[in-house]
Amino acid sequence: AQSVAQPEDQVNVAEGNPLTVKCTYSVSGNPYLFWYVQYPNRGLQFLLKYITGDNLVKGSYGFEAEFNKSQTSFHLKKPSALVSDSALYFCAVRGTGFQKLVFGTGTRLLVSP
Amino acid sequence: AAGVIQSPRHLIKEKRETATLKCYPIPRHDTVYWYQQGPGQDPQFLISFYEKMQSDKGSIPDRFSAQQFSDYHSELNMSSLELGDSALYFCASSPPGTGVTGELFFGEGSRLTVL
Repeated sequence: AQSVAQPEDQVNVAEGNPLTVKCTYSVSGNPYLFWYVQYPNRGLQFLLKYITGDNLVKGSYGFEAEFNKSQTSFHLKKPSALVSDSALYFCAVRGTGFQKLVFGTGTRLLVSP
Repeated sequence: AAGVIQSPRHLIKEKRETATLKCYPIPRHDTVYWYQQGPGQDPQFLISFYEKMQSDKGSIPDRFSAQQFSDYHSELNMSSLELGDSALYFCASSPPGTGVTGELFFGEGSRLTVL
C-alpha cells in the first residue's frame, strides 16, 4: 500500500524567508510524487510532481521540491515566502500500477507579514 | 482554459435522503476520480472511472454509487444520507495517456451538508 506522511500540522514563516514543508512517502515500486495547494473552500491546485530524472523539481509560483530516495522524502521548498502562499499544502503519492492518488494529512502554511 | 465543473456547489439534505453530485471533466480527459474531504481532513479516494468503466475503488460506502456516462461526465449518487456524509466532494480528471505519472485536475468541489 502507498502512504504519505506530513509530520507538521502547521508551518509558520515570515515573509521573505525560505520555507520548507516536509513529506515522506512509502510505496512499493517507483514513487510518483505530487504537491497540491488548497485555499479555503477551493479545490486542490497542482504545484509540481516528481516522476523520474532530476531530484530537484520546479513547479508553479516559485515552488520547488527535492526528491530524496534514500530518505524517502519529497520536501516542498520556496526560497522566499509570500503572504499569499498561506494555504493548506498536500503531498500525494502514486505507486506503479496504482491509479488513485493518496494524500497526506496536509500542512497549513502561515506566512506572516 | 476549461476546468473540471462540479454541480451543485452546495447541497443541504436531511438524514436518510438521497443526493446526486455531477462532474464534468476537462474536455478530452478520459479518467474521472471522486474524493471526499471531511472537515479538517485530507481528501479520501472514493472511486475512479476510465473510459466509462470503474477502474479503482477506495473507501466508498455501499450506500454510494457512481458511474461515468458516454459523454465522460460522472455522477455520484448517495443514498440514506448520514450526518457523517457531510463533507466536500471533489471530482478530478486526468488526460489520456498520462497513466500513473499524470497529475489530477480538481474541480472546486461540492459541499454536502446533512442535517
